[in-house]
Amino acid sequence: RKEVEQDPGPFNVPEGATVAFNCTYSNSASQSFFWYRQDCRKEPKLLMSVYSSGNEDGRFTAQLNRASQYISLLIRDSKLSDSATYLCVVSLQGAQKLVFGQGTRLTINP
Amino acid sequence: DVKVTQSSRYLVKRTGEKVFLECVQDMDHENMFWYRQDPGLGLRLIYFSYDVKMKEKGDIPEGYSVSREKKERFSLILESASTNQTSMYLCASSPAFEQFFGPGTRLTVL
Repeated sequence: RKEVEQDPGPFNVPEGATVAFNCTYSNSASQSFFWYRQDCRKEPKLLMSVYSSGNEDGRFTAQLNRASQYISLLIRDSKLSDSATYLCVVSLQGAQKLVFGQGTRLTINP
Repeated sequence: DVKVTQSSRYLVKRTGEKVFLECVQDMDHENMFWYRQDPGLGLRLIYFSYDVKMKEKGDIPEGYSVSREKKERFSLILESASTNQTSMYLCASSPAFEQFFGPGTRLTVL
């Protein structure tokens, strides 16, 4: 079983729609959680950290459910520029080593 | 801005050749990482380093070695390149949990 699992997609949604991704992780000792974004032929970049209480950054909302070991990312009012691959990432407590999911590919259509 | 640079964007080598991939970061980060990224498999950690002259194996170290003689530079070495090492190689540096990636090197082994 993969340590971090994501639906690879692709997700194709119209501009302005709300889209949500989930990600599950297998190691209950995981302590830190992140969403990274990777544009086509570019390197991954941190989108946002995910906190236990949930957190929001503009149109993006990230949630963590420790009991069920999943993380979610919600994008509201999607823009064409949101088209990218979204990587779910976890790390164990005190470890700078990150474990990446394979990514969910999102395309926003005009 | 954090800058992570990699020596080549594209590289073509022959089976059996020794290959050096160089990574340099300009933010005095302690931690540096080498990943490979393949379709359907996501990012997989090859090696990482927490300090000069220190290295630790990641998830797929076989066929690779690394060198970190200076804090800003982390090199990945393919001792004898094989066709199954054709991949995108990404270097990252990190002060803590957020990782900053270089642009990647697309390596093709013929």
